[in-house]
Amino acid sequence: EIVLTQSPGTLSLSPGERATLSCRASQSVSSSYLAWYQQKPGQAPRLLIYGASSRATGIPDRFSGSGSGTDFTLTISRLEPEDFAVYYCQQYGSSSWTFGQGTKVEIK
Amino acid sequence: EVQLVESGGGLVQPGGSLRLSCAASGFTFSSYWMSWVRQAPGKGLEWVANIKQDGSEKYYVDSVKGRFTISRDNAKNSLYLQMNSLRAEDTAVYYCARARVQGVTWGQGTLVTVSS
Repeated sequence: EIVLTQSPGTLSLSPGERATLSCRASQSVSSSYLAWYQQKPGQAPRLLIYGASSRATGIPDRFSGSGSGTDFTLTISRLEPEDFAVYYCQQYGSSSWTFGQGTKVEIK
Repeated sequence: EVQLVESGGGLVQPGGSLRLSCAASGFTFSSYWMSWVRQAPGKGLEWVANIKQDGSEKYYVDSVKGRFTISRDNAKNSLYLQMNSLRAEDTAVYYCARARVQGVTWGQGTLVTVSS
């Protein structure tokens, strides 16, 4: 089983600041099947990034993904008020999926 | 527009059973792997089960093996999760999901509460 570890657990930032979220895998993950999601309370996860670096339809370009192998990063270049939420990484390239435990981006 | 609509959640006693359904529309259901993912209250996302397009392959997280069964009916564009021997720790919102290279599409979820 591939374990995904996200860091930090919580990120306290102000609107306009840059957010950098990390996702580290216990073994190599196919970049084609590494995704990032945003989730707000009471809502289903929203796909932001797939294939490690491709933005999903309708996602603003302040969101970007990078990485390969075992290290992946989600960057939000300038935080907007609506970006404060929990973010999850996921690998879905094997017969079983795994998720990171999440990073909460909160208002400082 | 791709739509996944879950139903069948509710309150059930420990040891009881429940069957979740997911009605799919807006895409060729029989062409995709389908999945169930759950989220316990205040917790993160946990993958539960996957099923291949023709139902010939099924995979489960260890904690539900032998208790949950994923199935599908391609003629009805429907995905199911039969949950038996339910435990308090199965309490969660259960999401139906479609996987493709361009990421995962989610339903809105259905809440399952296991409590006496």
